[in-house]
Amino acid sequence: DVKVTQSSRYLVKRTGEKVFLECVQDMDHENMFWYRQDPGLGLRLIYFSYDVKMKEKGDIPEGYSVSREKKERFSLILESASTNQTSMYLCASSLDRGGQPQHFGDGTRLSIL
Amino acid sequence: AQSVTQPDIHITVSEGASLELRCNYSYGATPYLFWYVQSPGQGLQLLLKYFSGDTLVQGIKGFEAEFKRSQSSFNLRKPSVHWSDAAEYFCASYSGAGSYQLTFGKGTKLSVIP
Repeated sequence: DVKVTQSSRYLVKRTGEKVFLECVQDMDHENMFWYRQDPGLGLRLIYFSYDVKMKEKGDIPEGYSVSREKKERFSLILESASTNQTSMYLCASSLDRGGQPQHFGDGTRLSIL
Repeated sequence: AQSVTQPDIHITVSEGASLELRCNYSYGATPYLFWYVQSPGQGLQLLLKYFSGDTLVQGIKGFEAEFKRSQSSFNLRKPSVHWSDAAEYFCASYSGAGSYQLTFGKGTKLSVIP
């Protein structure tokens, strides 16, 4: 089975802090994704990566950046955390073939105080 | 733009009753379709997927879904619901073979009455 591991289940940070969310997958997937999930808004794509050191903006990239130095690891960075970035963050990965399902981690619930 | 619609925000069923969750997609060609389930505080788990072929697909946990091109629908069904099925269910689709981005519906929350 595919295993997508997010480093923290719960995280509390202060406004202005630089925050790192880490995600690791163990199935040699080419594609990795970061979403945020908010009540009433569903899942929104922040960034995705289809190869090492490659990244593409999703629907809501403002205030975020990403890093993919190794194939198995995809990091989401909040450059200067703000309270409106309090949310559930979900990482996913998939094979780079047409229409492959994305496999999700358990999520990180991030609170910015 | 591609869209996925789940018309029901919240459904309540009794344990042992049958279940059908609705999903409609807007993509013109044959889409790649998925159903995911999310238990409270957890990530999304893949229930089943449809790419082509047989329009009735079987998934995990006793779920199945039927693709109906004429109705642009991909409804999820289960003949007898268990209390542990209480969760939120998401329908999702790729807009095309070369697309990286999944389009998700807003989800349907399922409550189960014992």
